[in-house]
Amino acid sequence: QKEVEQDPGPLSVPEGAIVSLNCTYSNSAFQYFMWYRQYSRKGPELLMYTYSSGNKEDGRFTAQVDKSSKYISLFIRDSQPSDSATYLCAMSESNAGNMLTFGGGTRLMVKP
Amino acid sequence: DSGVTQTPKHLITATGQRVTLRCSPRSGDLSVYWYQQSLDQGLQFLIQYYNGEERAKGNILERFSAQQFPDLHSELNLSSLELGDSALYFCASSFLDGKNTEAFFGQGTRLTVV
Repeated sequence: QKEVEQDPGPLSVPEGAIVSLNCTYSNSAFQYFMWYRQYSRKGPELLMYTYSSGNKEDGRFTAQVDKSSKYISLFIRDSQPSDSATYLCAMSESNAGNMLTFGGGTRLMVKP
Repeated sequence: DSGVTQTPKHLITATGQRVTLRCSPRSGDLSVYWYQQSLDQGLQFLIQYYNGEERAKGNILERFSAQQFPDLHSELNLSSLELGDSALYFCASSFLDGKNTEAFFGQGTRLTVV
């Protein structure tokens, strides 16, 4: 079993829909949680960065962390075709700097 | 543009050969990280350098090695290449070594071993 599990998708939604992306993890030492967006053949781009449990909002994006359930989510409101990409969750332990453990990524397609 | 520069963008080489991938971190960043992304394993951490010193090691094969130079650029050396080494290799950089620092990724080097 992988440390971080993520549904690979693809997830196909119509433009304007609310998208929910999720990851589960097994390592209770993870303290820092990130979401990256990766377009085809490009490097991952940091979207959201959160510490411990709680919510964080940035524009159309909301990240949620539930450490008790070992479950994190990324919500995208008013999704756009330009949001079509692979979304990767990533996590790190408090003492491990930026040694990130990634989920396998969820491919999202937003159709006009 | 993240500010992290990786060269070359593409590399095709034969089994048994040795290649060197280069990474220039964002201006002012002291930490460099190397990741490998393959279809079956996803993104996996290989190794981290901070201000010239090795700081953390992940799933890096003994055939692979890296270093960070005084000007903070880093090189990843892959030797005795096998077909299974074909992957995207990403470099990331951050200012600090510790927690609560964001890592920014380069565009990657696509390595194909034939």
